[in-house]
Amino acid sequence: DAGVIQSPRHEVTEMGQEVTLRCKPISGHNSLFWYRQTMMRGLELLIYFNNNVPIDDSGMPEDRFSAKMPNASFSTLKIQPSEPRDSAVYFCASRTGGDGYTFGSGTRLTVV
Amino acid sequence: GNSVTQMEGPVTLSEEAFLTINCTYTATGYPSLFWYVQYPGEGLQLLLKATKADDKGSNKGFEATYRKETTSFHLEKGSVQVSDSAVYFCALSSGSARQLTFGSGTQLTVLP
Repeated sequence: DAGVIQSPRHEVTEMGQEVTLRCKPISGHNSLFWYRQTMMRGLELLIYFNNNVPIDDSGMPEDRFSAKMPNASFSTLKIQPSEPRDSAVYFCASRTGGDGYTFGSGTRLTVV
Repeated sequence: GNSVTQMEGPVTLSEEAFLTINCTYTATGYPSLFWYVQYPGEGLQLLLKATKADDKGSNKGFEATYRKETTSFHLEKGSVQVSDSAVYFCALSSGSARQLTFGSGTQLTVLP
């Protein structure tokens, strides 16, 4: 099992550009979570999916952020347009029932 | 709502010293409690967990006991090693969705 796979590992982009972060959850895990980690705010839950359906997106900071899960093996988090304050590490995690979370290695986003 | 309050860092110890990182929580219902560890440049890894009052979670020499009366889940290790240097996060999950709520994290540095 390769674990939760996120790409890219690092992304540097200019303000105003569109950014797409990708996540492949562990096969068989039916819940997927996107978190953002910053020094100021720590780890924040942005959105989570259950069986590919968005359940709670109350943590998504603005309309510039959107997330999709078109199938059980893939999810994207998109920021359009990106701003410098979006710079953070974005983590994807998946889970199969109970409390068994597995986190990806994260995408470090820098918006200049 | 749910919240986790964690001991402020950073914490610097000498090798073989005793470690305590305090964690208290506020939650509705009966949460599960966790400690996650994050090594530089990596995602979060589950270190240990406890799912009910008086349970003790343990792993790699680390321990934490679920104390309902004091709403605490303090992390301890009797003799730290340089390789334990990392950021430690206390977390809880509760409710039907079992979403994770994290503390702010504590940076631990162990010096040889």
